[in-house]
Amino acid sequence: NAGVTQTPKFRILKIGQSMTLQCAQDMNHNYMYWYRQDPGMGLKLIYYSVGAGITDKGEVPNGYNVSRSTTEDFPLRLELAAPSQTSVYFCASSYAGDYNEQFFGPGTRLTVL
Amino acid sequence: KNEVEQSPQNLTAQEGEFITINCSYSVGISALHWLQQHPGGGIVSLFMLSSGKKKHGRLIATINIQEKHSSLHITASHPRDSAVYICAVRFGMDTDKLIFGTGTRLQVFP
Repeated sequence: NAGVTQTPKFRILKIGQSMTLQCAQDMNHNYMYWYRQDPGMGLKLIYYSVGAGITDKGEVPNGYNVSRSTTEDFPLRLELAAPSQTSVYFCASSYAGDYNEQFFGPGTRLTVL
Repeated sequence: KNEVEQSPQNLTAQEGEFITINCSYSVGISALHWLQQHPGGGIVSLFMLSSGKKKHGRLIATINIQEKHSSLHITASHPRDSAVYICAVRFGMDTDKLIFGTGTRLQVFP
């Protein structure tokens, strides 16, 4: 199993550009999450999904959108990138219920200039 | 407000030392996670606790529900243990959302 995969690993965007961060998992987990990690701060939840077709906002959803058309994929869309979105983005997944250890992807480092 | 605090923020140790990292939270929780973030950035889950104590190799995690406090211990520390250790809690039973602490950066010198 590949676990949780994320692409790209690094990206530089100009202000106002858009992009999609890809996330996929092959563990048949129904819960998936997007976090951002800023220097000196704890991980913050952007959006999460409890299954295909169901998404909900986390703590810091402004400037982002998500979709969940399949169990495996959970892309994060940035519209009109801003310098405040410079961060490291982590995707994670977990199996709902008692076994809710979260498995993390390797992260995407995004810089907006 | 649901908060998670870790101490210390930074910790240095000599190889072989016993390490303790602390996590305190503000209100009742249903689960607490300890995670390790490698220098390269990858994050792995170490433990998930709702009560008592868990042990895996040289790592021991304990939680005291009444005192709203958890500790992560590393016995016989080694330079490869150098990483950021993150505490995260799940407040309540009807959510899988985690609130994360800011992490403890550990450096173990030979």
